[in-house]
Amino acid sequence: GQSLEQPSEVTAVEGAIVQINCTYQTSGFYGLSWYQQHDGGAPTFLSYNALDGLEETGRFSSFLSRSDSYGYLLLQELQMKDSASYFCAVRVRTGANNLFFGTGTRLTVIP
Amino acid sequence: DGGITQSPKYLFRKEGQNVTLSCEQNLNHDAMYWYRQDPGQGLRLIYYSQIVNDFQKGDIAEGYSVSREKKESFPLTVTSAQKNPTAFYLCASSRRPGQGNEQYFGPGTRLTVT
Repeated sequence: GQSLEQPSEVTAVEGAIVQINCTYQTSGFYGLSWYQQHDGGAPTFLSYNALDGLEETGRFSSFLSRSDSYGYLLLQELQMKDSASYFCAVRVRTGANNLFFGTGTRLTVIP
Repeated sequence: DGGITQSPKYLFRKEGQNVTLSCEQNLNHDAMYWYRQDPGQGLRLIYYSQIVNDFQKGDIAEGYSVSREKKESFPLTVTSAQKNPTAFYLCASSRRPGQGNEQYFGPGTRLTVT
């Protein structure tokens, strides 16, 4: 089976940096993705890590350590519009892009 | 514009009725997925299809059925056997593995069964 753990809620100040952690236990592992979802909306893709290390895309960065079964999403220069839920998801099968999602971290950005 | 459409946005049904949710994509993606999301929860995979005329059960397939007769369409039927069908249903699509890892989501259908 699969399980992912991420904090349920995080609050941070506008302009600051926040890190959302994700640890996973899976029977197979091919990569870790991050998705953003605003209330009532559709999830949107942020990043994907298949190899150890840091991937940077603008204000967002994602890190993976396969040996530690751990990853994180780093959001810099926080803006009010970053208030949303953030989900980590593992790709668990080769030959398919199936994802197993965590329960999400609700980020609230305050002025 | 390319994308995924789901209709309707809100759907109300009486208990005991089957209901079909539509999902159409014009992204030319091979794979399509159906997820269920409950309040404050993550997404749970119901069914997925990697190619036309083929589909596989996900983690919570009981009480649901799908078909994939066309590449663009992947309708989901919520049957009366689904014990707790009220939820937010999301459809997604993706390219084949090796061509990209991103799943593209539709706007979702919020189903309420009373």
